[in-house]
Order: sequence, then structure tokens, then C-alpha cells
Amino acid sequence: QVQLQESGPGLVKPSETLSLTCTVSGGSISRDYWSWIRQPAGKGLEWIGRIYTSGSTNYLPSLKSRVTMSVDTSKNQFSLSLSSVTAADTALYYCARELGSTSAFDIWGQGTMVTVS
Amino acid sequence: SSELTQDPAVSVALGQTVRITCQGDSLKDYWPSWYQQKPGQAPILVIYTKNTRPSGIPDRFSGSTSGNTASLTITGAQAEDEADYYCNSRDSSGNHVVFGGGTKLTVL
Repeated sequence: QVQLQESGPGLVKPSETLSLTCTVSGGSISRDYWSWIRQPAGKGLEWIGRIYTSGSTNYLPSLKSRVTMSVDTSKNQFSLSLSSVTAADTALYYCARELGSTSAFDIWGQGTMVTVS
Repeated sequence: SSELTQDPAVSVALGQTVRITCQGDSLKDYWPSWYQQKPGQAPILVIYTKNTRPSGIPDRFSGSTSGNTASLTITGAQAEDEADYYCNSRDSSGNHVVFGGGTKLTVL
């Protein structure tokens, strides 16, 4: 079965760029939508954006100027870059698979905590 | 509007039925999904596309939508259902995803 695993630095300095990678195992990354979702401690879920395996993207409007997503089908990975981070970007970051284009996320990674400090 | 609104907290007696609601204009056009999240765990999809349960989700979970309001109903709530529940859907543009603020369910 398909599994997702986030990886990347747990600590990022203010004004720098947060970079995370999600590795897809147990299946192909092809022909699906892949999203990044974050959750500050004690708060709700916030969708950041998604990428299709063709490379097309959609980003949350409020983050669009700072977000870049990419996909590497040869490595079965997709990535998130968030520039000019502040303490408000401190959160648990999840990668997730979207069922078709339903906005239903059926598979989630375990999440990776990123602290901006 | 791109917002989905949920009640912050709901409680239910063990074995009783509880409805968790989610309101938003985009729900008139797009199906909602529902997630269960327990402390320290990633969310789990429990309902999507009108009233579809992924494999392994008990049939006491069901979903419905009327106008701009979606509902997740748990019929015969169990102690293990105590968790945070989130709805999500597309926003009104259809190009982005939005989540509700979440509802903390307490099983008494």
C-alpha cells in the first residue's frame, strides 16, 4: 500500500527558506494530485497547495508568493519550498495524496515538525 | 466565500448519535470530506464524496449535505470516536482546498 514520508530540516531561521520532501513508497507517484498541509500546535489544518505529476500546481492564495512545489517522478518524490519564513510558519507539515481531484486526502504522511527560530 | 465553519466542540453520551456540522458557500457546489484526528496522529479520512467511507471505517460514520451545510453523523458513538473532526472541500473558485476549523468531540 502507498505510504508517504516527509523529510527535511526541523529548524529554520527567520527569513530563510523552508524545504521539505515527501517520498512516496509502495506505489507510483504518477497520475495523482499531491498536497502539503500544515498544522500549528493546538490549531487546525491549513492546506498549502498541491501539485499534479505533470507539474501543474495550485497554491493557497495567501501563501502563493512564497510557495513553490515540484515533483520528481524518477525518485517518486515531491517537494515544498516556503521562502521568507517567520515564526507564524512554525507547524507540523504533512504531505498527503488527494483522491482524484476530489479534495479528499486518503493517505497522509506522519508529519514533520518545522520550527522557525 | 472560501471559509468552512465548524462548531468548536460537541459532546455525546456513549452509544448515542451525534451530528457534527460544517457550513460554507462552496458546499453548494463541491462535496465535503471529513477527517478524524486523534492526539499525536495524522488525520484519517472517514467520509468523502457525498457519503463514501474508505475501507476500514465503521458504518456508524455517515455523511450528508443540504444546501451550504454538510453533516457528519456518528450513530452509536463509541469511546474511541473521541477526537477532533475536520471537514474540507474546494473553495468557491474550485482551484483551492479549504478546511474547517475543526470540532472537538467528547464522548461522555
